[in-house]
Amino acid sequence: DVKVTQSSRYLVKRTGEKVFLECVQDMDHENMFWYRQDPGLGLRLIYFSYDVKMKEKGDIPEGYSVSREKKERFSLILESASTNQTSMYLCASSERGETQYFGPGTRLLVL
Amino acid sequence: ILNVEQSPQSLHVQEGDSTNFTCSFPSSNFYALHWYRWETAKSPEALFVMTLNGDEKKKGRISATLNTKEGYSYLYIKGSQPEDSATYLCAFSNSGAGSYQLTFGKGTKLSVIP
Repeated sequence: DVKVTQSSRYLVKRTGEKVFLECVQDMDHENMFWYRQDPGLGLRLIYFSYDVKMKEKGDIPEGYSVSREKKERFSLILESASTNQTSMYLCASSERGETQYFGPGTRLLVL
Repeated sequence: ILNVEQSPQSLHVQEGDSTNFTCSFPSSNFYALHWYRWETAKSPEALFVMTLNGDEKKKGRISATLNTKEGYSYLYIKGSQPEDSATYLCAFSNSGAGSYQLTFGKGTKLSVIP
């Protein structure tokens, strides 16, 4: 079975803190993605990566950065957390054009 | 930004009823249409991937159809059960450089009443 894991299920941070969300997949997938999900807005793509050290902006990259040093790991970084970044964050991985497999999500609360 | 629309936003059905929902997507540069089921407190789970106009896929009581010329897909659930309660997401990818990138609709939230 494909497994995508995320470092935390729940996280509480303070405004201005630097936040790291980690995602690991075990299927040797080329592509990895970070989404956020907010009520009434659906899943929105923040960043994605199609290879190690490669990254592309998604639809809402502002306030975020990413790192992909190893194929299996894709990190989302909130440089200076703000309250409007309170959300559910989902990581996914896939082969090109194929089904995306999702992690369990991290619910982040920024106070 | 590509626009993927799902309707209805939510619906409640009685156990045993059959139901269907719609996903509309851009008909140009089509690559694939995905359906996912997202149950509360779980990860979105892939149901179907469809690539050809006229495709029909089936998984148990759930089936889906695809019309790429007019840009829509239907998801059908026959004889709904309480365990079918979930948000159903569709996602579109185009044939450009971002064919691995999915654009999601906002989902249809289904509640099946026992």
